[in-house]
Amino acid sequence: GNSVTQMEGPVTLSEEAFLTINCTYTATGYPSLFWYVQYPGEGLQLLLKATKADDKGSNKGFEATYRKETTSFHLEKGSVQVSDSAVYFCALSDLTNAGKSTFGDGTTLTVKP
Amino acid sequence: DTAVSQTPKYLVTQMGNDKSIKCEQNLGHDTMYWYKQDSKKFLKIMFSYNNKELIINETVPNRFSPKSPDKAHLNLHINSLELGDSAVYFCASSRRRGAGTDTQYFGPGTRLTVL
Repeated sequence: GNSVTQMEGPVTLSEEAFLTINCTYTATGYPSLFWYVQYPGEGLQLLLKATKADDKGSNKGFEATYRKETTSFHLEKGSVQVSDSAVYFCALSDLTNAGKSTFGDGTTLTVKP
Repeated sequence: DTAVSQTPKYLVTQMGNDKSIKCEQNLGHDTMYWYKQDSKKFLKIMFSYNNKELIINETVPNRFSPKSPDKAHLNLHINSLELGDSAVYFCASSRRRGAGTDTQYFGPGTRLTVL
């Protein structure tokens, strides 16, 4: 079956620090990969996605590259802000099992001024 | 204009009661989902409907019963509530069934507390 493993949190950084949240996956098919973000008290929202190998998703200064050879989709941002404090979920979805998405356990990021 | 809405936002109730959570999406999507998020933020899919047809039914107690009157609505009814049902329940939708590239759009969540 499909699975997603992401870096355990919580992660605490100072403002303007570099962020990496690791995500690796196993999939029976050829998945699309996603990062969702959940701000306090809200639902999840799409941050970025990539649908094929070597694609780079980017949004709001965040980037992630679909690496088929290492089955990874690590999230990076060069300079985090206090407003980036949230829970980040890596997810995959493929055409098997009615397109059900598989989510990682989430990584809580806190950015301090 | 809220894309995916849920009511109520908060629900506090006694053990043994029956309660419902409603979800509506105005995106014209074919597929809707219910997720449960526990206190550690772990997200678990419960059900998925495509155009009123149940397509995903995970291992969930049969006290939980989804109902989709039309493709824009997916409600969740819970019988005989237990303490362990306390969680945040999220509704979500996506454009097409089984399309692995589709983004899911989440509602704001319903925080259920069972006393």
